[in-house]
Amino acid sequence: AQTVTQSQPEMSVQEAETVTLSCTYDTSENNYYLFWYKQPPSRQMILVIRQEAYKQQNATENRFSVNFQKAAKSFSLKISDSQLGDTAMYFCAFLASGNTGKLIFGQGTTLQVKP
Amino acid sequence: DVKVTQSSRYLVKRTGEKVFLECVQDMDHENMFWYRQDPGLGLRLIYFSYDVKMKEKGDIPEGYSVSREKKERFSLILESASTNQTSMYLCASSLQFLRGEAFFGQGTRLTVV
Repeated sequence: AQTVTQSQPEMSVQEAETVTLSCTYDTSENNYYLFWYKQPPSRQMILVIRQEAYKQQNATENRFSVNFQKAAKSFSLKISDSQLGDTAMYFCAFLASGNTGKLIFGQGTTLQVKP
Repeated sequence: DVKVTQSSRYLVKRTGEKVFLECVQDMDHENMFWYRQDPGLGLRLIYFSYDVKMKEKGDIPEGYSVSREKKERFSLILESASTNQTSMYLCASSLQFLRGEAFFGQGTRLTVV
């Protein structure tokens, strides 16, 4: 069975600085997908960024980028130039390519961006 | 825009009641999911469905059942609500092809008293 682990329950960062959120996962699959989702306070969960395991290049979306280390089963999220609107809970998620779409989440990291 | 709509934002039920949580999506997605979210535990998958009338158990199905009679609607049923089912419940949907992103509803905060 696949598992996803986020070992940082809470983090904080000053506005305009850079922060990295960690995620590790365990799987015997070779092809899969990894995601970071953001859940702002009292708002809906939205996708931040997605990585396909067969792609060696790390995904980037504006200020958000990932460091995908397949051998180490590590998938960290880097937020550059942090903004107050980045304050949210962030979830790492895993999706195996071989099944019908079962999406597994980690425990979440609460990020506070301070002015 | 994809919309995933959960029938209630807040719900208070009594122990032993049968509870229905409804979820509707408007983008013809094959996959639909029910998760519960608890502090420190993240999102745990209760059930998911990959087609009409098809379902699979997630990690914590005990005490729950689901129904998917139509593609757009996925219901979570608490057969006999208990206080340990007090939680935030999130519904999501996704396209099966290309392993698309999951879209989430706004959540239902259920309190069982």
